[in-house]
Amino acid sequence: GEEVAQTPKHLVRGEGQKAKLYCAPIKGHSYVFWYQQVLKNEFKFLISFQNENVFDETGMPKERFSAKCLPNSPCSLEIQATKLEDSAVYFCASSQHRQKPLHFGNGTRLTVT
Amino acid sequence: DQQVKQNSPSLSVQEGRISILNCDYTNSMFDYFLWYKKYPAEGPTFLISISSIKDKNEDGRFTVFLNKSAKHLSLHIVPSQPGDSAVYFCAAGNTGNQFYFGTGTSLTVIP
Repeated sequence: GEEVAQTPKHLVRGEGQKAKLYCAPIKGHSYVFWYQQVLKNEFKFLISFQNENVFDETGMPKERFSAKCLPNSPCSLEIQATKLEDSAVYFCASSQHRQKPLHFGNGTRLTVT
Repeated sequence: DQQVKQNSPSLSVQEGRISILNCDYTNSMFDYFLWYKKYPAEGPTFLISISSIKDKNEDGRFTVFLNKSAKHLSLHIVPSQPGDSAVYFCAAGNTGNQFYFGTGTSLTVIP
């Protein structure tokens, strides 16, 4: 597609439950990025992929967070045993090439209660 | 440690005048810089970019200036329109690696 599609738009989970977020990058884009926006205007990098390979995972809290980008499937970001501080908007972005702009989806708002 | 900073949280400008949004960065290895516009409940929308080999890039009403020695970039919007009212983020990165984002400047264009 021509847009980055993120589902679901909203997700509510009780503390300790699992959350799984999905992202379909723009067709033909090789790079996928996940960002977490906790405070209103702060974007925290989580992980990036080049096709199905992890490119940079320096931002991932590895104990509970995992992500995948498999061929012919949407990319996913999974949080095991969610905590209150995981409440945030999670943005996915894709880009065509290493020095091309990131194009963002509209985000998934995760609320952990 | 914030590698990209936008020190002005907000800016108000009269319609038709110039809007200048500023951004500073600390990492001299950054070689690609972008500006995004964001409305509430939407993802950031790409506006304009510049690579470190240039000092200016123009696209319609939007111009980005890069001063590598000062580690500073700015976005000029001329003329400003009410529809430009949004939060503007600058981002910087080192080709293909993660992009670091500033904390945004909320622009209000007054009709």
